[in-house]
Amino acid sequence: QITLKESGPTLVKPTQTLTLTCTFSGFSLSTSGVGVGWIRQPPGKALEWLALIYWDDDKRYSPSLKSRLTITKDTSKNQVVLTMTNMDPVDTATYYCALGYGDYVGNWGQGTLVTVSS
Amino acid sequence: SYVLTQPPSVSVAPGQTARITCGGNNIGSKSVHWYQQKPGQAPVLVVYDDSDRPSGIPERFSGSNSGNTATLTISRVEAGDEADYYCQVWDSSSDLHYVFGTGTKVTVL
Repeated sequence: QITLKESGPTLVKPTQTLTLTCTFSGFSLSTSGVGVGWIRQPPGKALEWLALIYWDDDKRYSPSLKSRLTITKDTSKNQVVLTMTNMDPVDTATYYCALGYGDYVGNWGQGTLVTVSS
Repeated sequence: SYVLTQPPSVSVAPGQTARITCGGNNIGSKSVHWYQQKPGQAPVLVVYDDSDRPSGIPERFSGSNSGNTATLTISRVEAGDEADYYCQVWDSSSDLHYVFGTGTKVTVL
C-alpha cells in the first residue's frame, strides 16, 4: 500500500523559509521512473504544481516559483524535502506531497495547511 | 506557459450526464488526466491518458480529447459525484512540468 504524509510547520512568518518533509512508504525512490513532487492549493483556489524530483535526482520546478524552491531526497529515509524561501501571505495554502507516474499524479498525501502570517 | 481553462461550474440532475471541458492550445496532442477533489480531501485520479480509468473508478467516468478541448464525462450522475474536478497535462514545451486546469465545481441538483 502506497502512502505519503506531509510534515512541517503550520504557521510561518513573512520572509521566513518554509521546510516541508514528505515521508512515504510502499515504493522506493530509487526505482527507475519514480518521481515525488509537491503541489499546493490556496484556500478556495485551484491546484498549483511546485516541484518534482526523480529517482535519478533530476529535478523540475514551477517556472514561476523556481527561484524560491529547492527539492531534495533522502532515499534511505524514504523522504523528500521541499524548501521555499521568502514566504508571503499569498503562499498560504494546503501543501500536498504526491507520487508521479510519468506525466500524472497517481497518489497524494493528505495535505498540510501552511499559514503565512506575522 | 501552457494554460488550461475549465468552466467554473457545472450543474446536473441525478441520473443525467455531466460534461466538463478543459481547453488548451492543441491539447489533443497531449495526454490529459483528470482528478476529483471532494471538500476537505486530497484529489483522486479518475481518468488518465485521456480516457483510461484507474482501478476502482466506476465506468461512469470517461474521457475524450481532440483538437483544443478535452472532456470528462460523468454518466448517470450520483450525489456522491459532487466535487471539484481538475484537468492536468505535462507541459513539455518549455521547462518540463505539470500544469493543472482552473477547476470545475460539479453540483448535483
